[in-house]
Amino acid sequence: EAQVTQNPRYLITVTGKKLTVTCSQNMNHEYMSWYRQDPGLGLRQIYYSMNVEVTDKGDVPEGYKVSRKEKRNFPLILESPSPNQTSLYFCASRHPGEKLFFGSGTQLSVL
Amino acid sequence: GQQLNQSPQSMFIQEGEDVSMNCTSSSIFNTWLWYKQDPGEGPVLLIALYKAGELTSNGRLTAQFGITRKDSFLNISASIPSDVGIYFCAGRADRGSTLGRLYFGRGTQLTVWP
Repeated sequence: EAQVTQNPRYLITVTGKKLTVTCSQNMNHEYMSWYRQDPGLGLRQIYYSMNVEVTDKGDVPEGYKVSRKEKRNFPLILESPSPNQTSLYFCASRHPGEKLFFGSGTQLSVL
Repeated sequence: GQQLNQSPQSMFIQEGEDVSMNCTSSSIFNTWLWYKQDPGEGPVLLIALYKAGELTSNGRLTAQFGITRKDSFLNISASIPSDVGIYFCAGRADRGSTLGRLYFGRGTQLTVWP
């Protein structure tokens, strides 16, 4: 089954404790992206990657890092999480010009 | 980044009513997409539009790509309880420095009362 898999689904952590949210897709998509969803603000892009070893900042990249060492994986790294990064995070992928497939989301709470 | 204005922000309607929502942008897009997000899930694509003036249906859903290429509309006819969710518009320019990027509206929260 074609899918985008994110882990974990829920995460509670404390300020400053590094964490990684993993994302994997099995559709051989070149393009992958991370979004955060906050009430009233919709989906805002954090980082995206057009292909392996190519990553670019989205609209809200501050406080986040990503890497794209393999085509199928695109982890999101928070080196020193802060409470304002409490949000619902979505990973997504697609072929160029085609529809975006989303994962089921990761609800992150930073205390 | 690009600004997409989606309205209304929320809607409370009775089952059987029709729904209309729209999205406008400050610049031209070559692709307009409409997604629906069910509670606890990621957004899922409903309709994709690729040409100015295009009108496309998917069951009770109909979406249009505005002639100016700066707006799009989504209509839901005869709403049912399972239409509940957040609807997002999204646009892509596919040109220049914004190649490949998809910009989202802030969403329309739809509640349907039985």
